[in-house]
Parts: sequence; structure tokens; C-alpha cells
Amino acid sequence: GAVVSQHPSRVICKSGTSVKIECRSLDFQATTMFWYRQFPKQSLMLMATSNEGSKATYEQGVEKDKFLINHASLTLSTLTVTSAHPEDSSFYICSAAQGEKLFFGSGTQLSVL
Amino acid sequence: QKEVEQDPGPLSVPEGAIVSLNCTYSNSAFQYFMWYRQYSRKGPELLMYTYSSGNKEDGRFTAQVDKSSKYISLFIRDSQPSDSATYLCAMSYNNNDMRFGAGTRLTVKP
Repeated sequence: GAVVSQHPSRVICKSGTSVKIECRSLDFQATTMFWYRQFPKQSLMLMATSNEGSKATYEQGVEKDKFLINHASLTLSTLTVTSAHPEDSSFYICSAAQGEKLFFGSGTQLSVL
Repeated sequence: QKEVEQDPGPLSVPEGAIVSLNCTYSNSAFQYFMWYRQYSRKGPELLMYTYSSGNKEDGRFTAQVDKSSKYISLFIRDSQPSDSATYLCAMSYNNNDMRFGAGTRLTVKP
């Protein structure tokens, strides 16, 4: 299957700082990537759809100024959590579409102190 | 009613057992059906992909789709402790609108 690389796998930061998470499709081009948030023992919660060369589409209730998404190339999307607070601590996962299939990154555990 | 219903479990079986995981859905427009396996604190891994109705087999895994009943299943034969994970069903009518089940936590005991 296709490979999606996500970095970092774990990040700890102080409250008020910004954190950038990268998602790369390694062996295919992805015009569409997705960002999810997952709480312990819960399913994936779609945050936004990232389209190469255009603005991301955010799900209802997700603050676009808080979670900045950039999809500058066909192989890279980034999620920046701005002015992070403890309630932003969560597991963030990206995915990239190849045809009708979605391939996921390995996830990023964000802990905000 | 949720668009995709999946029993979260947990489900515990002895090694070697046949495991049956299921999802039901309400949107008859879904035509792409997937099963993902997710280990703790890892991203989901695509296990099976099926288009429309029918069966698909890959090693110890069999996926079934019954569109008339809006019901999909994943069977795991000769289950192993390494199969212990959360299994997510997913479905869509296009790749921009994937819907996920809640995930079923499976434990295979040695």
C-alpha cells in the first residue's frame, strides 16, 4: 500500500506556543489530505480537508485560526496548532487519498503543558 | 441514528478463534467499503478494500459487503495475539467523504 509519513510522532510543548505537524505522501501524489483528532478509546474525528493549492475546508466547530492547514505541494500538508493550550492535547492523524482509498500517517501525540 | 454503527466491544477471544466484526450503515449511496486496523497510538492501517457488494479474501481476512442489508463484516480466521487491535470500518461514496465506525477493540488471548 501507499505510504504516508507523519512527523513528529510525539511533541511536548508549553502552553501558548505553536506546534507544526507534517504529513507527507511518500510514493504518490495526493491532491487531498485529511486531518483528524482522536481521543483515547474513541474513533477518528475529522477536523479538516486539505486541498493542494486552495484553502482547507474545516468541519463545524473546528477553529480555522487555531488549526492552520497548509497544503503547498502534492506531497505535503502541514497542520499548525497555534497558541496551544492543554485542552489541545490529543492524538492527531493525517491521511492522504489515493483514488478511493485513504492511507494514514502514524499519528502525532501532542501534549501541552 | 449514526450513519455508521459499530459495536465498540471490547471483544476478547482465545487464540485460534474465528473473529467476526460488523458494521451497519444507513446511507445507501456508500459504495466503497474499507476495514482498518489500528494499534494503540498508531495510525490506522488499511486491511481490506471492497467496492460495492461481495466478498474479498486476503490470507486470514475476509471482508463481506451486503448492500441490500447495509451490513459489512470482517472475518479473521485462526486469530493471533498480534491481531489484538482496534478495527475500524469505513465507507464512502467518494474519497472526500469517508465515514468511520467507532471501532471495535479486539483482544486475542494466547
